[in-house]
Amino acid sequence: GQQVMQIPQYQHVQEGEDFTTYCNSSTTLSNIQWYKQRPGGHPVFLIQLVKSGEVKKQKRLTFQFGEAKKNSSLHITATQTTDVGTYFCAGRGSAGNMLTFGGGTRLMVKP
Amino acid sequence: DVKVTQSSRYLVKRTGEKVFLECVQDMDHENMFWYRQDPGLGLRLIYFSYDVKMKEKGDIPEGYSVSREKKERFSLILESASTNQTSMYLCASSLYGLYEQYFGPGTRLTVT
Repeated sequence: GQQVMQIPQYQHVQEGEDFTTYCNSSTTLSNIQWYKQRPGGHPVFLIQLVKSGEVKKQKRLTFQFGEAKKNSSLHITATQTTDVGTYFCAGRGSAGNMLTFGGGTRLMVKP
Repeated sequence: DVKVTQSSRYLVKRTGEKVFLECVQDMDHENMFWYRQDPGLGLRLIYFSYDVKMKEKGDIPEGYSVSREKKERFSLILESASTNQTSMYLCASSLYGLYEQYFGPGTRLTVT
């Protein structure tokens, strides 16, 4: 079945440093979604990417979808303590309604 | 604002008990999902439903069943709880299959 791998599993950064998490799928994806889960909270949708090579920005967050639609990344510029949480990618295969989630990257930011 | 509610935030059950986890959404969404979340494993799909009385198995359906008698309500049933079912259970809903999912607050289930 479809597998989605996410690295790194954990990342500690100093406030102000940049952060990137990478997502790789074993199969071609029709689209990919990103979610953020704050400590003690539930996943909250951030964005969806659909097109090959697509790049979208939300303030300090930049999301990319690979040309082959098998990988994606989330980059945060100049992290803040409010960025703390676990970031999940979730990919959808060419058929069906199911999302396959990556294992998540837990971001910790030292003030 | 979409609201997804789950019946309990914390639940402690004994091995062998039958456990019901309830989820309700208030936005007339077609799709509803049950996931379990374990450290390092992300969210794994147990079952989902795309319509009333319709269900499909996810990646880890063994030991679980579901019920969707009304559009707004999706129940997860553990027929005979076991210790390896100790986990965080998250319910989600989406308008249609390709749309974003809205999650409930989760139920942390401990089976002793």
